[in-house]
Amino acid sequence: AQSVTQLGSHVSVSEGALVLLRCNYSSSVPPYLFWYVQYPNQGLQLLLKYTTGATLVKGINGFEAEFKKSETSFHLTKPSAHMSDAAEYFCAVSDGNNDMRFGAGTRLTVKP
Amino acid sequence: NAGVTQTPKFRILKIGQSMTLQCAQDMNHNYMYWYRQDPGMGLKLIYYSVGAGITDKGEVPNGYNVSRSTTEDFPLRLELAAPSQTSVYFCASSYPGRESTEAFFGQGTRLTVV
Repeated sequence: AQSVTQLGSHVSVSEGALVLLRCNYSSSVPPYLFWYVQYPNQGLQLLLKYTTGATLVKGINGFEAEFKKSETSFHLTKPSAHMSDAAEYFCAVSDGNNDMRFGAGTRLTVKP
Repeated sequence: NAGVTQTPKFRILKIGQSMTLQCAQDMNHNYMYWYRQDPGMGLKLIYYSVGAGITDKGEVPNGYNVSRSTTEDFPLRLELAAPSQTSVYFCASSYPGRESTEAFFGQGTRLTVV
C-alpha cells in the first residue's frame, strides 16, 4: 500500500518569501503524485501532478514540484509567497487506479 | 460544467439517526470515491466504486454503506449516526488513465452528530 508523509503540519512564511512544503511518499509501484490545495470551506483543487516524464512539474498559481525518486520526495515550492496562497495543502500518491492516499496536510500561513 | 455536486452542504444529526449524503458527477467518470476529512488527519477513504454496480471498502468503511446504480450517482449512507462520524465528507471522481488520473472533488458536506 502507498503512503504519504507531509513534514510540518503548519508552515508560516512572509509575503514574498520562498514557499517550501515537504512531501515524502512510499509506493510499491511507480507512483502518480499530486498536490491539492484547499481554501476554507472549499473542496480540494488540483495544483499539479506528476505521472511520467519530466520530473519538474509546473502547476497553477506559480507552484511547482520536483519528483525525486532517489529521495522518494515530491516537495512543493513557490519562489514568492502571496497572501492569497494561504490555504491547506495536501500531497497525495496514487497507483494510477483507485488507490489514492493523502497526507495529513500542511496549513500555509502568509504574513504581510 | 457542474463537475462533482454534493448535497447537503451542512447537516446536524442526532445519535442513532440515519441519513444519505448525495453525490453526483457529470463528467462520465467511472471511478468515484467517498472520503472523510478530520483535523490533522488528512483525507481517509471510506468507500470507492470503479463503475456502476461495483463498490469496495476503503480504509475506514465501518458505519457506512454505499451503492452505485448509475455512473453519475454515488450516495453514502449512514445508518446509525455516532459522534465519531462528525466530520467533513468529500465525494470525488476520476477517470484513471495515463494522463487523466487526478480526482475531482465536490465542495464537501459538513456533518455534526450530537
